[in-house]
Amino acid sequence: EAQVTQNPRYLITVTGKKLTVTCSQNMNHEYMSWYRQDPGLGLRQIYYSMNVEVTDKGDVPEGYKVSRKEKRNFPLILESPSPNQTSLYFCASSLTYNEQFFGPGTRLTVL
Amino acid sequence: GQQVMQIPQYQHVQEGEDFTTYCNSSTTLSNIQWYKQRPGGHPVFLIQLVKSGEVKKQKRLTFQFGEAKKNSSLHITATQTTDVGTYFCAGQSGAGGTSYGKLTFGQGTILTVHP
Repeated sequence: EAQVTQNPRYLITVTGKKLTVTCSQNMNHEYMSWYRQDPGLGLRQIYYSMNVEVTDKGDVPEGYKVSRKEKRNFPLILESPSPNQTSLYFCASSLTYNEQFFGPGTRLTVL
Repeated sequence: GQQVMQIPQYQHVQEGEDFTTYCNSSTTLSNIQWYKQRPGGHPVFLIQLVKSGEVKKQKRLTFQFGEAKKNSSLHITATQTTDVGTYFCAGQSGAGGTSYGKLTFGQGTILTVHP
């Protein structure tokens, strides 16, 4: 089944404790992206990747890192999480930068 | 940077009434996409508009892209309870290179349909 998977789905952590949210797609898509969703703000793009080893900043990249070593994986790294990074995170992938397939989301709480 | 404003933020309708949500971009877009997110779910792609003045229909849904490629609308005719959810527009700029991958979402319109 074609899908985008994210892990973990839920995470509660404490300020400063490094964490990684994984994202994987099995559709051989070149384009992948991370978003955060906050009430009243819609989806805001954090980072995106047009292909392996090619990443670029979205609108809200501060406090986040990404890597794209393989086509199928695009992990989101929070080196030192802070409470303002509490949010719902979505990973998405696309074959040609148009129709994006979203993962199920990761709900992160930073205490 | 590019901004995409979407209104209204909330819309409550009676089943059978029509619904429209509007998006306005601060810059000219190369294309605009629309997504629907059911409560507790993830966004699901509905459609992409590319051409100036383009109009596309999907059953009761009508999508329009403005002549200047800076605004767009989604109209639902005779809403049903299955239409409940948040509708997002997302604009993509026409700049070349890697910036083409940048996608800016509107804030979304939360649609409630009362039976």
